[in-house]
Amino acid sequence: KQEVTQIPAALSVPEGENLVLNCSFTDSAIYNLQWFRQDPGKGLTSLLLIQSSQREQTSGRLNASLDKSSGRSTLYIAASQPGDSATYLCAVNDYKLSFGAGTTVTVRA
Amino acid sequence: NAGVTQTPKFRVLKTGQSMTLLCAQDMNHEYMYWYRQDPGMGLRLIHYSVGEGTTAKGEVPDGYNVSRLKKQNFLLGLESAAPSQTSVYFCASSYSKVGGPKFTNSYEQYFGPGTRLTVT
Repeated sequence: KQEVTQIPAALSVPEGENLVLNCSFTDSAIYNLQWFRQDPGKGLTSLLLIQSSQREQTSGRLNASLDKSSGRSTLYIAASQPGDSATYLCAVNDYKLSFGAGTTVTVRA
Repeated sequence: NAGVTQTPKFRVLKTGQSMTLLCAQDMNHEYMYWYRQDPGMGLRLIHYSVGEGTTAKGEVPDGYNVSRLKKQNFLLGLESAAPSQTSVYFCASSYSKVGGPKFTNSYEQYFGPGTRLTVT
């Protein structure tokens, strides 16, 4: 059974600082890994998807890396802004998604 | 395209009542999924379907039933609601590995906006 862990559970940083969010998983037999953003009381917004054959994926200020052999992914958000405050969820896909519990980020103005 | 839609958006039930949540997608996806999300937790898979007429159990299937009579619809039923089923329910859909157009990501899931269910 796939287990997905996100550390830390919560993070508070001043505006402008870079964010580093960690995700680990136990079974490396995956098709891809997705990072989502969720605002309070809202649905999921897909941020990045990394295929199992890729090492990283970038979109604007976001960069996600994947190390399948060690069961780890990291989401980097450069130059954080108050609008980046949200919960970030990591999910690994072996055609069914297994989610971590998320990291709640607060960016202080 | 509307993508993935869910009906209703909100619902309050009394213990023992029944209801059906409807998920619809217009992307011709083969796979569909139902998840629930509880406070402080990630999403957990309830049931899923790999094609019309098929269903399978996920991580937390007890107390729920599903049906996939049409490819574009996936229904989640609660026969006798319990307070433990108070949650936010998300539906998702995806192509299978070979079923999508060229260059689509295998099994990338697209999510609906969620249904907030309270059982009192």
